[in-house]
Amino acid sequence: EVQLVESGGGLIQPGGSLRLSCAASGITVSSNYMSWVRQAPGKGLEWVSVISGADTYYVDSVKGRFTISRDNSKNTLYLQMNSLRAEDTAVYYCARPNSASFKHAFDIWGQGTMVTVSS
Amino acid sequence: QSALTQPASVSGSPGQSITISCTGTSSDLGSYNLVSWYQQHPGKAPKLMIYEVSKRPSGVSNRFSGSKSGNTASLTISGLQAEDEADYYCCSYAGSTTYVFGTGTKVTVL
Repeated sequence: EVQLVESGGGLIQPGGSLRLSCAASGITVSSNYMSWVRQAPGKGLEWVSVISGADTYYVDSVKGRFTISRDNSKNTLYLQMNSLRAEDTAVYYCARPNSASFKHAFDIWGQGTMVTVSS
Repeated sequence: QSALTQPASVSGSPGQSITISCTGTSSDLGSYNLVSWYQQHPGKAPKLMIYEVSKRPSGVSNRFSGSKSGNTASLTISGLQAEDEADYYCCSYAGSTTYVFGTGTKVTVL
């Protein structure tokens, strides 16, 4: 069964750092585009970042603060979040933009992990 | 990287058809036939309903259909059912390996 399981969310003070993890099963993280999408409370979906091979891309609002990476040996995707702001408060989903079969549509999603930035 | 524009809400009675629009720009939605649609029930992860403008993944009801003209894409739900009540989001590939989602539409089944 294909599954993405996020972890690492929690309550963090403004300016703090947090690392999210996304453990994958049934798919190989290193062979796929992998992405983070977030959803602020009561708000819509926002694409945050994607990793493809050695290349990484970010939405403007997180550039220089967030870093996406992966550990192929653990088949796990990460999102290192630094200099966190209140507006980063959201549920963070790990998702696969399937560049092959579904032409960059996000076909697999995790259950999400909540990040709350507050003092 | 501005969000695609969707109506905040759309409603319909059971059995009716509804259409949700999704408007972008010539730099994102208008440049690529890589529009996808997602259904999200409260507290749940989004589910892919349509990809590449009009294609349905296996297991998605044929009551869901998609189209695109210029900078606007549309999702039509025909034969509306109670289980279709959810939030719907469009998404477009925006070039340079970036993506943009729509603002979201709440579908209410009357």
